[in-house]
Amino acid sequence: QVQLQESGPGLVKPSQTLSLTCTVSGGSISSDGYYWNWIRQRPGKGLEWIGYIYYSGSTYYNASLKSRVTISVDTSKNQFSLKLRSVTAADTAVYYCARDYFHGFDIWGQGTMVTVSS
Amino acid sequence: DIQMTQSPSSLSASVGDRVTITCRASQGIRNDLGWYQQKPGKAPKRLIYAASSLESGVPSRFSGSGSGTDFTLTISSLQPEDFATYYCLQHNNPPCTFGQGTKLEIK
Repeated sequence: QVQLQESGPGLVKPSQTLSLTCTVSGGSISSDGYYWNWIRQRPGKGLEWIGYIYYSGSTYYNASLKSRVTISVDTSKNQFSLKLRSVTAADTAVYYCARDYFHGFDIWGQGTMVTVSS
Repeated sequence: DIQMTQSPSSLSASVGDRVTITCRASQGIRNDLGWYQQKPGKAPKRLIYAASSLESGVPSRFSGSGSGTDFTLTISSLQPEDFATYYCLQHNNPPCTFGQGTKLEIK
């Protein structure tokens, strides 16, 4: 079955760029109808949707983060990626990738903790 | 953005109890709502989609109802493994938005 796995640095310095990749296994990222998402959860807090990408490259971002976020896709590697620029301590969170197929997020990665600190 | 108001924020209950969690949307979202369970250190797991459809493999003690703006998750008879945090999610219109969560604790 389809599995998602996040990867990337666990520590990022303030003002730098947070970069994460989600690798999709057991299925194709290019399948019709699937949207590939990033979601985060600050320590002890609720869930915040960051944005999604379709395999064609079309994206949609949460307005609260839009000025700092880029989500991209590499269909040859079956991966999609998140870049969050100019990070601060407020961006410290567990970052999840998740698949959306018509009815919300059905498959999630295990999550990766990213700490913003000097 | 559509706001999801989830209540209660926390709930103490005993094994065998029937519990209900509600979510209210700030505008109509048809049945574009899901319910998720999250245990500490784990990713959320979807229990219910399309407001009332049970995810494959999820015990039948979980049920969802509602349409439009008011939604309910019911656990008919709490089991020890059900103590967790629950979230609703609306995906009617981007941005998707989650409820604030309900932490279900053992009484």
